[in-house]
Amino acid sequence: GAVVSQHPSWVICKSGTSVKIECRSLDFQATTMFWYRQFPKQSLMLMATSNEGSKATYEQGVEKDKFLINHASLTLSTLTVTSAHPEDSSFYICSASGGARYNEQFFGPGTRLTVL
Amino acid sequence: QQPVQSPQAVILREGEDAVINCSSSKALYSVHWYRQKHGEAPVFLMILLKGGEQKGHEKISASFNEKKQQSSLYLTASQLSYSGTYFCGTDSGGYQKVTFGIGTKLQVIP
Repeated sequence: GAVVSQHPSWVICKSGTSVKIECRSLDFQATTMFWYRQFPKQSLMLMATSNEGSKATYEQGVEKDKFLINHASLTLSTLTVTSAHPEDSSFYICSASGGARYNEQFFGPGTRLTVL
Repeated sequence: QQPVQSPQAVILREGEDAVINCSSSKALYSVHWYRQKHGEAPVFLMILLKGGEQKGHEKISASFNEKKQQSSLYLTASQLSYSGTYFCGTDSGGYQKVTFGIGTKLQVIP
């Protein structure tokens, strides 16, 4: 149980384009989803927290207009990187929590974004 | 504020034990431990809630000293599969907002 998927697993795009990353909880209802980014050999940095049906809460320094988060259902959250630039290249990981094990976060496999 | 992990890296031979420490400058509601292998997402190991909790998972266990705002992860009789980067995550507010440490890179060699 507690499986989280992400799509795509990797994406390469040109500078200036937008990229959407999906995060799905496959076998439980995720009342809360988290989006992280991770640079090589560094820790996971929380970008935002989203609760189903409400606006995401962004961490300090994260541009909400650049990183659009939507959590429209209890099983799906999306992160859209708008007008991507090379410095946005990173490993983006979502996690989900909910149900009886609401204290635990279950991570998706991550999405490697490369912006040329 | 990011918790502090130590050591930053450790190399073990199969069968040896290791301890990874995690400390916070803030009062903690819970501590989370994850292991991440290269190029993969973190995998949940365990969560410890306030109250001096200790937990075990096969040969991996952890303790949480709420007063000292510290947690330790114990790996006994290490196996090659234990290699990876271990992250502790701390939650100070009880709202599931977890801040991760920089990680401890553990390598187990034959």
